[in-house]
Amino acid sequence: DGGITQSPKYLFRKEGQNVTLSCEQNLNHDAMYWYRQDPGQGLRLIYYSQIVNDFQKGDIAEGYSVSREKKESFPLTVTSAQKNPTAFYLCASSMGQGFTDTQYFGPGTRLTVL
Amino acid sequence: AQKITQTQPGMFVQEKEAVTLDCTYDTSDPSYGLFWYKQPSSGEMIFLIYQGSYDQQNATEGRYSLNFQKARKSANLVISASQLGDSAMYFCAMREPGKRSGGSNYKLTFGKGTLLTVNP
Repeated sequence: DGGITQSPKYLFRKEGQNVTLSCEQNLNHDAMYWYRQDPGQGLRLIYYSQIVNDFQKGDIAEGYSVSREKKESFPLTVTSAQKNPTAFYLCASSMGQGFTDTQYFGPGTRLTVL
Repeated sequence: AQKITQTQPGMFVQEKEAVTLDCTYDTSDPSYGLFWYKQPSSGEMIFLIYQGSYDQQNATEGRYSLNFQKARKSANLVISASQLGDSAMYFCAMREPGKRSGGSNYKLTFGKGTLLTVNP
């Protein structure tokens, strides 16, 4: 089955620690994205990548870092510089071609800072 | 200013009835795309339907249709014959052309969502 997987489903972090969220897709999509969702809010873009070894900041990139070494993988690191990291994180991917390009999402990771 | 406005924080509908979820948007660009996603309590965002700004007809996908009124800048989602499984958050999102040279903008701007509850 093709799809997007995110792990772990739940993640707990102590203040001052960096944590890495995994996102893998087997849809052969070129573009991948990370969004953050806070309660009662829509999604906000953290980072996106259109091709391997290239990525761009979104609206709220401060305190986050990413890498794109493989087409299938786009891990997100939440660093200790992120002031309020408790949120629901969603990864998405798309073909990355054309204006009608549709993003498909993974199941999400819920991060809680203790 | 918000680019996507969903004015209904919550909506209730009886099973088998139709329901309309409102979405208005703000853009000065003639080219844009509008998307609707469903988010059940499990959290995953599920793509439902897409409408392009130049599309002549309203988009339809099974029980979902989009009431696209360009002059009013509205793109309301209509769900016909509601089912209990339709209970979820629904998000409207917009894509506008990119500002970076040579590429399209991949960013989606989301509204705050509408929580739909289907009653038996």
